[in-house]
Amino acid sequence: AQSVTQPDIHITVSEGASLELRCNYSYGATPYLFWYVQSPGQGLQLLLKYFSGDTLVQGIKGFEAEFKRSQSSFNLRKPSVHWSDAAEYFCAVGLHKYIFGTGTRLKVLA
Amino acid sequence: EAGVTQFPSHSVIEKGQTVTLRCDPISGHDNLYWYRRVMGKEIKFLLHFVKESKQDESGMPNNRFLAERTGGTYSTLKVQPAELEDSGVYFCASSQEVSRWDKLSYEQYFGPGTRLTVT
Repeated sequence: AQSVTQPDIHITVSEGASLELRCNYSYGATPYLFWYVQSPGQGLQLLLKYFSGDTLVQGIKGFEAEFKRSQSSFNLRKPSVHWSDAAEYFCAVGLHKYIFGTGTRLKVLA
Repeated sequence: EAGVTQFPSHSVIEKGQTVTLRCDPISGHDNLYWYRRVMGKEIKFLLHFVKESKQDESGMPNNRFLAERTGGTYSTLKVQPAELEDSGVYFCASSQEVSRWDKLSYEQYFGPGTRLTVT
């Protein structure tokens, strides 16, 4: 069955600390993978995507993600978190029909 | 360039009533999608239009939900009659239709969502 797992429902980090949000997927074909962010009162904004090629992809706002086929993972990272990064983050896989994880809510401590 | 817009942003209705949600995709985007997030759960796919045709409606919960996209521009999602379990946030997204081999066809841009509360 196709699925996406985001094991961390909530994560709290201090401003300036590094961040890694985990995402594992199960998908029959070569996956197209995405990370979206939803800030309070906003829609889902595309952070980055992986289609093929280089397994380390760069996105907006200083985020990057690494595709590891052997681990079926697509973890999101940022070296230094800013207070404005507090939001909910969603990992998704698919073509036209996206399958989403349940989301990880990030809290940033000043 | 305007993004995906949705109307209304919030709707509160009573069980048994009808509600119609509207989505305006990014201009020129032939692919239009509806998703729903029930509280505490994941965002789930409802259906996919290519222009005015329903390409995939495998996620529609039941026949109380009717989606239309007349003329291949904006889309509406009608819930009739609404039930308590229909409460949630309904997202619309759109993407370009270039070709099945072009990655741009699969890059979806989401609207802010409509929060529906059925009491």
